[in-house]
Amino acid sequence: GQQLNQSPQSMFIQEGEDVSMNCTSSSIFNTWLWYKQDPGEGPVLLIALYKAGELTSNGRLTAQFGITRKDSFLNISASIPSDVGIYFCAGQLIGGYQKVTFGIGTKLQVIP
Amino acid sequence: DADVTQTPRNRITKTGKRIMLECSQTKGHDRMYWYRQDPGLGLRLIYYSFDVKDINKGEISDGYSVSRQAQAKFSLSLESAIPNQTALYFCATSDSGRLAGPLDTQYFGPGTRLTVL
Repeated sequence: GQQLNQSPQSMFIQEGEDVSMNCTSSSIFNTWLWYKQDPGEGPVLLIALYKAGELTSNGRLTAQFGITRKDSFLNISASIPSDVGIYFCAGQLIGGYQKVTFGIGTKLQVIP
Repeated sequence: DADVTQTPRNRITKTGKRIMLECSQTKGHDRMYWYRQDPGLGLRLIYYSFDVKDINKGEISDGYSVSRQAQAKFSLSLESAIPNQTALYFCATSDSGRLAGPLDTQYFGPGTRLTVL
């Protein structure tokens, strides 16, 4: 089956720094999604990408759908303490079952 | 108000007990899903339902059953709970394209933390 490698698995950064995390897949996806999960809550959708090469921003967050359709990255600029949480990538094939494959998450901690 | 709600939010039970977790949504989505989350394993799909009469097993359905009582309600049951079913359980919904909006992007509830002793 499809597998997603998400890295890094955890990171500590200083408030104000930029952050980058990425996901790579063994096969292609039609859609890449990035979610954030706060402690004790469900994943919340941050950005959805639907086309290879697409670059989309949501405030200080920017994500890109890789040209090969096998990877995606998420950047967070000028991190703040409320950016703390677990960030998940997810790849999806559209058509038929539309199964979503999730990465295991990147745990981000921001040092004030 | 939240679009996807789950009850209860926390539950502690004993081995062998029957447990039902409930999910309701006001998003008008036709598709609903149940996942479990374990540390280091990410989210794994238990069951999914594309409409009221269409229910399918996910990758880890053994020991679980579901019921889609209405388009807006999808419940997950553990017929006889065991300790390795201790996990965080999430319900999610998506739209197959009947509504204006992202196709099949999943939106999650707040989760139910289940502990089986």
